[in-house]
Amino acid sequence: DTAVSQTPKYLVTQMGNDKSIKCEQNLGHDTMYWYKQDSKKFLKIMFSYNNKELIINETVPNRFSPKSPDKAHLNLHINSLELGDSAVYFCASSQDGSASYEQYFGPGTRLTVT
Amino acid sequence: ILNVEQSPQSLHVQEGDSTNFTCSFPSSNFYALHWYRWETAKSPEALFVMTLNGDEKKKGQISATLNTKEGYSYLYIKGSQPEDSATYLCAFKWRGAAGNKLTFGGGTRVLVKP
Repeated sequence: DTAVSQTPKYLVTQMGNDKSIKCEQNLGHDTMYWYKQDSKKFLKIMFSYNNKELIINETVPNRFSPKSPDKAHLNLHINSLELGDSAVYFCASSQDGSASYEQYFGPGTRLTVT
Repeated sequence: ILNVEQSPQSLHVQEGDSTNFTCSFPSSNFYALHWYRWETAKSPEALFVMTLNGDEKKKGQISATLNTKEGYSYLYIKGSQPEDSATYLCAFKWRGAAGNKLTFGGGTRVLVKP
């Protein structure tokens, strides 16, 4: 069984469109994250939710809006997509939000904005 | 800005040889250090979470040490095999960081040659 799943795996869209990426974890974890792999291949935290509550909100354009309907799901909605949004986005989860536990990553969503 | 640096950026190892590489992080306000293994076309997988100065962790032929006073961690691979080829990421949690924010290094890319 997949522990952390993301859909879609690939997303190609045009500038100006609105799109969503979905993430689900079946590990019973309390905390979920969104990361962006930037052009230099670094993983940068975007958002973190603990039990549906927003914990981390990094300096991310407000076109990006996370939504956590329950603690097993954390979706990422992006409005008015721009060329610079092209990247690989990873969802992750951990047992709690203390950083004392490892994070489990999803397979990534490769977003291409044309 | 917290810097987490990994060196070298890449290294080639002959099958059967041992190798090690470094993760450097700020030595003050340490909370936790994570190591992840990231194979091409897959997602990062946790190796270790280290929280105490002097920690040593081992998983198979891979081990890690931690020196929080001087701000570094070493990852060792003993008797490298081709399947050890991957990018190894370290990630640092600073005690003052919001929530569970991890700052990732750029990774050390290891290629084991048969």
